[in-house]
Amino acid sequence: EAGVTQFPSHSVIEKGQTVTLRCDPISGHDNLYWYRRVMGKEIKFLLHFVKESKQDESGMPNNRFLAERTGGTYSTLKVQPAELEDSGVYFCASSHLGRASGRYEQYFGPGTRLTVT
Amino acid sequence: GQQLNQSPQSMFIQEGEDVSMNCTSSSIFNTWLWYKQDPGEGPVLLIALYKAGELTSNGRLTAQFGITRKDSFLNISASIPSDVGIYFCAGQLSVGGTSYGKLTFGQGTILTVHP
Repeated sequence: EAGVTQFPSHSVIEKGQTVTLRCDPISGHDNLYWYRRVMGKEIKFLLHFVKESKQDESGMPNNRFLAERTGGTYSTLKVQPAELEDSGVYFCASSHLGRASGRYEQYFGPGTRLTVT
Repeated sequence: GQQLNQSPQSMFIQEGEDVSMNCTSSSIFNTWLWYKQDPGEGPVLLIALYKAGELTSNGRLTAQFGITRKDSFLNISASIPSDVGIYFCAGQLSVGGTSYGKLTFGQGTILTVHP
């Protein structure tokens, strides 16, 4: 079974530019989450999709961040315009839907390291 | 929001020693999880705990879900060099029905093992 994949692995952009991060969850996982780790701090939740619907977007920092999950498969996270404080590692995670499946632990991708200069 | 206090922040140990780290929270969680992150990789799930009081092992790792549901610990026995990395605890609440929500992470414990 292929794991969660993220693209790109690393992105360096200038302040004011736009960046789009992509996440492909594990096949069959309806839950998809975005997290971010800023240098030296804890990993913080951004957003949770159930299939194509946003279940919880309470962690999104501001309206410069836009997440989509068309068709309930892969997801994109766009930052526009990027600011210096957006630098960090953005992780995507996915899990099964429903405890009945017995497997709803979140599995993480390798992350996208975003550097805004 | 909810916060997890994870300690210690870092540990420097000799190969073969046992390691213990813990997390505490001001609020309860339904699930506690422990992850390990290697450089350049995403967090990898080590152990998941679903019931208060539950004690679970995975090889040399043992973790417990505190009886109050507000804490958890992770023990690593007989450490080896490949145990090096950052260990994170995470708490999770169910959001009702069939979906489980966001993870709240601790700050991480950086483990260094000297051969």
